[in-house]
Amino acid sequence: DQQVKQNSPSLSVQEGRISILNCDYTNSMFDYFLWYKKYPAEGPTFLISISSIKDKNEDGRFTVFLNKSAKHLSLHIVPSQPGDSAVYFCAASLISNFGNEKLTFGTGTRLTIIP
Amino acid sequence: SQTIHQWPATLVQPVGSPLSLECTVEGTSNPNLYWYRQAAGRGLQLLFYSVGIGQISSEVPQNLSASRPQDRQFILSSKKLLLSDSGFYLCAWTSGGVETQYFGPGTRLLVL
Repeated sequence: DQQVKQNSPSLSVQEGRISILNCDYTNSMFDYFLWYKKYPAEGPTFLISISSIKDKNEDGRFTVFLNKSAKHLSLHIVPSQPGDSAVYFCAASLISNFGNEKLTFGTGTRLTIIP
Repeated sequence: SQTIHQWPATLVQPVGSPLSLECTVEGTSNPNLYWYRQAAGRGLQLLFYSVGIGQISSEVPQNLSASRPQDRQFILSSKKLLLSDSGFYLCAWTSGGVETQYFGPGTRLLVL
C-alpha cells in the first residue's frame, strides 16, 4: 500500500518558468512533510519541509503548499534553473513507538529543466 | 559539523554471498539511524531504524538484518544475498525528535 504517491514520474519545464511537483498521501496521521532532491548515485538532500498545521512554507525559490483536506502537497520552484534537474522525493513523517521520526517516501518525480 | 559516511560506494556480489554495509556518523552523539533502499523505478523504502545501541526496528520482512554495535555505527547485513537485494542503499540520521533526516552518499549493490 503506497501511502505517499507521486503520480508524475517525470516533468520537463523550460528554464525560467515555474516547476510544480505534486504529491498525494492517504494517511491522515502524517504530521510533517518534506521534499528531498536527489542526483544520480548520491544520497537525497533536504530541500524544504512543512508542518501539518501550516498550509504554506517558502524558502527562496522553493515553496511548499499543503492542502490537508485533499491530502495533497506540492512543491513550486520559481524560476526554474538547469541545476534543479534532479529526482524530487516527497516524504511524510510519523512518530514511531520509540518517539523517533519515520519517513515514508513517494516514488519520485524526475524534473528536467530545458535551457 | 556532522557528517555521515557509507562504504563501500559500489559493490558487486554473487547470489548467495554474504553482505556487510557500514554507516558511521561523526559530530553527534546518540543519533537515530536509518537504512533505506531505493530499487530501480521505486521510491525510498525504509528497511530498519535504530534509536540506540542494540535497538533495531525492522519495517519490512526481508532477507536483510541490521545491527548497531556502537552509538554512531549502523551495519546492514545479509547471510545470503538474493537477486532482488540489488539496489541503492542509503543510511540516514537525525539527532532525535521530529527533524529532517540527513542522508549518506549511498552504496550501490548489484547482485549477479
